[in-house]
Amino acid sequence: DQQVKQNSPSLSVQEGRISILNCDYTNSMFDYFLWYKKYPAEGPTFLISISSIKDKNEDGRFTVFLNKSAKHLSLHIVPSQPGDSAVYFCAARVNNAGNMLTFGGGTRLMVKP
Amino acid sequence: SQTIHQWPATLVQPVGSPLSLECTVEGTSNPNLYWYRQAAGRGLQLLFYSIGIDQISSEVPQNLSASRPQDRQFILSSKKLLLSDSGFYLCAWRNTGNTEAFFGQGTRLTVV
Repeated sequence: DQQVKQNSPSLSVQEGRISILNCDYTNSMFDYFLWYKKYPAEGPTFLISISSIKDKNEDGRFTVFLNKSAKHLSLHIVPSQPGDSAVYFCAARVNNAGNMLTFGGGTRLMVKP
Repeated sequence: SQTIHQWPATLVQPVGSPLSLECTVEGTSNPNLYWYRQAAGRGLQLLFYSIGIDQISSEVPQNLSASRPQDRQFILSSKKLLLSDSGFYLCAWRNTGNTEAFFGQGTRLTVV
């Protein structure tokens, strides 16, 4: 049972345009959502997070939107740059003893020059 | 500052051989520690997590085990590797009170 889903395995965007990566979840107990970026043969790096009590969080070119009623979040990258090409993982956390992160399957973003 | 070390970076092991992957964290104490696996073309699957020394929780039944002999050391082991154990293994840590977890560089394990 996949509690966090990224339904688009890949996305191609022109440099300078907006990239929108989507994520859906099923567990209403998630209290934090995170986005990670991963290059091949490297560990994921943390990008941005949002608390379940907010609907938007912005950090530079990255903005995460949360729609709790739809159990949907998205990551917007504006403007997209070739260096943004990577796999992006959506993750969600339940506030319990281990605070484990549950990850989606990832979306490969390709930004074309 | 905190750093996480994970080794080796790549490993090729025959079926039936044992496995030991090590992860250490520096610059923090009593972190939560995690082992994840990324199978080819798939997302990150949580294997084990630990909230303290000798406190290990397993998320999925498998051929692997984990141990935490010291506060900042997390070890992933297997007595006999299977072909299906191939994948990219990631260690991560998190300070209690923080949301985000920080990952090591990963180990590419190929079982042949």
